Amino acid sequence: GQSLEQPSEVTAVEGAIVQINCTYQTSGFYGLSWYQQHDGGAPTFLSYNGLDGLEETGRFSSFLSRSDSYGYLLLQELQMKDSASYFCAVGNTGGFKTIFGAGTRLFVKA
Amino acid sequence: GAGVSQSPSNKVTEKGKDVELRCDPISGHTALYWYRQSLGQGLEFLIYFQGNSAPDKSGLPSDRFSAERTGGSVSTLTIQRTQQEDSAVYLCASSPGQPETQYFGPGTRLLVL
Repeated sequence: GQSLEQPSEVTAVEGAIVQINCTYQTSGFYGLSWYQQHDGGAPTFLSYNGLDGLEETGRFSSFLSRSDSYGYLLLQELQMKDSASYFCAVGNTGGFKTIFGAGTRLFVKA
Repeated sequence: GAGVSQSPSNKVTEKGKDVELRCDPISGHTALYWYRQSLGQGLEFLIYFQGNSAPDKSGLPSDRFSAERTGGSVSTLTIQRTQQEDSAVYLCASSPGQPETQYFGPGTRLLVL
C-alpha cells in the first residue's frame, strides 16, 4: 500500500523560514508533489520532485531524497497569506493514482 | 482559459436519495480525478480516468459510488442511497497527462441529512 506522514500543524512568524516534512511508503514511486489549500478553497499545485534534489519556485522550494523516502517543502520570507494547509502527494509508476497526505496546517503569526 | 468547474457547488439531500455530481475538466486534459475531503482532513482518492484506458476505481468506498466520463471530457460521480457518512466535499481535478500536476475544481459540498 501507500502511506504518507507529515506534521499536523506548524507555527511560524512572518518573515521566517519554515520546513514541512513528508515521509512516504509506496511501491513503484513516481514522484512527490506539494499542494496548498486555503480554508474553503481548492488545492493548488506548488511544486513537484521526480528526481532527488531541490526544486525552487520563487519563495517555495521542495526537496526529495528517494533513498530516504523523504521530502520537504521550504517556505521562505513567510507572509500572512501563507497560512493554509499543505499536502504532499505521491504517484506511482503503475498509473495515475495519487495518494495525498493528511496535510500540515501552517499558522503564520505577525 | 477556463479552469475546472464543478456543479452543483452545494448539495443538501436526504438519506437514501441518489445524487449526481458533475465535473468539467480543463479542455484538452486527458486525465480526470475524483477525491473526497472530509472537514479538516486530507484528500481521499476515489477514481481516475486517463484517456481511453479503463478507469482506476480502486478508491471507491462502496458499490453505491460510481463514475463515468463521457467523450473523454465531462465526468459524473453518482452516489446511490446516500448515507450521512457520505457528507464531505467532493473535489475533481484534471491534468494534461502527467499526474504530478493536477488542477482542482472548487468542489461540491455534499450534506446528507
